[in-house]
Amino acid sequence: EAGVTQFPSHSVIEKGQTVTLRCDPISGHDNLYWYRRVMGKEIKFLLHFVKESKQDESGMPNNRFLAERTGGTYSTLKVQPAELEDSGVYFCASSQQTGEKLFFGSGTQLSVL
Amino acid sequence: AQKITQTQPGMFVQEKEAVTLDCTYDTSDQSYGLFWYKQPSSGEMIFLIYQGSYDEQNATEGRYSLNFQKARKSANLVISASQLGDSAMYFCAMREAFNQGGKLIFGQGTELSVKP
Repeated sequence: EAGVTQFPSHSVIEKGQTVTLRCDPISGHDNLYWYRRVMGKEIKFLLHFVKESKQDESGMPNNRFLAERTGGTYSTLKVQPAELEDSGVYFCASSQQTGEKLFFGSGTQLSVL
Repeated sequence: AQKITQTQPGMFVQEKEAVTLDCTYDTSDQSYGLFWYKQPSSGEMIFLIYQGSYDEQNATEGRYSLNFQKARKSANLVISASQLGDSAMYFCAMREAFNQGGKLIFGQGTELSVKP
């Protein structure tokens, strides 16, 4: 069974550009989470989907971040326009039922120059 | 206020020895869960062990055990017989029961290096 996959693994962009990160959860997992780790700091929650609905987006830093999960399968996280402080590792995780352990992907390392 | 605190940014341990990674937490909830994840250099976050707040026994998974001291609000990870492959970042995390969405709150992580 495939795990959580994220694409790209690395992205280097200039300030002001747009970047879209993609996450494919484990098949059948209704819950999908986005997290971010800025250099040297703790991993912070961004948002949570249940199927295609946003259950909790309290961790989204600002309106430059847009997450979607059309059809309740894969999800995208778009940053537009990117700022220097957006650099970090973006993790996606999924679970079948709410409250179960989360399965994480390998993350996308985003560098904004 | 920091909900999950890992006070050891980096730790060294000799191969085959045991090591304890510290984690303290802060919650007013009576029902919560504590997790440890491992992040090797490949980047993937790997689930290691889980402890529920009402579990009377300390959780164990192979060489991993969780030293759960509820009164002290600590959930230290003990790795016995360290192996070179244990070198990685280790994150402690908590899920509070009132949080219906199941999101995790993470600590800053501890980087463990196992020496041959």
